[in-house]
Amino acid sequence: DVKVTQSSRYLVKRTGEKVFLECVQDMDHENMFWYRQDPGLGLRLIYFSYDVKMKEKGDIPEGYSVSREKKERFSLILESASTNQTSMYLCASSLVVGASEFGSGTQLSVL
Amino acid sequence: KQEVTQIPAALSVPEGENLVLNCSFTDSAIYNLQWFRQDPGKGLTSLLLIQSSQREQTSGRLNASLDKSSGRSTLYIAASQPGDSATYLCAATGNQFYFGTGTSLTVIP
Repeated sequence: DVKVTQSSRYLVKRTGEKVFLECVQDMDHENMFWYRQDPGLGLRLIYFSYDVKMKEKGDIPEGYSVSREKKERFSLILESASTNQTSMYLCASSLVVGASEFGSGTQLSVL
Repeated sequence: KQEVTQIPAALSVPEGENLVLNCSFTDSAIYNLQWFRQDPGKGLTSLLLIQSSQREQTSGRLNASLDKSSGRSTLYIAASQPGDSATYLCAATGNQFYFGTGTSLTVIP
């Protein structure tokens, strides 16, 4: 019953590394989202996408980029990881006006 | 910009009690209001979705209501159990999800 799959549950990277977080959904949803979640700050939107090859900046896009080459896959890229990007990253997908599904999250630690 | 507030931030109740979690939002032009559950260190699990034209949704011991005109939603949990202990998040959906900061629920056996 897998719906939204994030490739890694835990990830440890070094400062300055390029990091790829992968998200795949099997529900043919148009919309996909990347959030980060930090204690006391809640969920903050990084980027979202309405369609293949389309992307929109969320509230905190600095230091991140995204790629959506296929409808089912939405990748988050940290161009040069920094310690302040240590966080829980959550991917989600949804129909245009329908219910959303979230992945199980990737806990990223940047040392 | 849509702002979503959840009250209380934390709640502790004895097992068997009925309880209500509150969610308020500032912009009534929403598509949906969705309630999620999050266990520590885990992702979000969708509990209930109320479309903008609906007033409430029910699933088992859970009932969620929506009053768009007043910008409020409530999640009612009947006969609470220790397994209900988690953080509960509401999200108002426009062109993206706008989340509250959650209510941390502890049900004491």
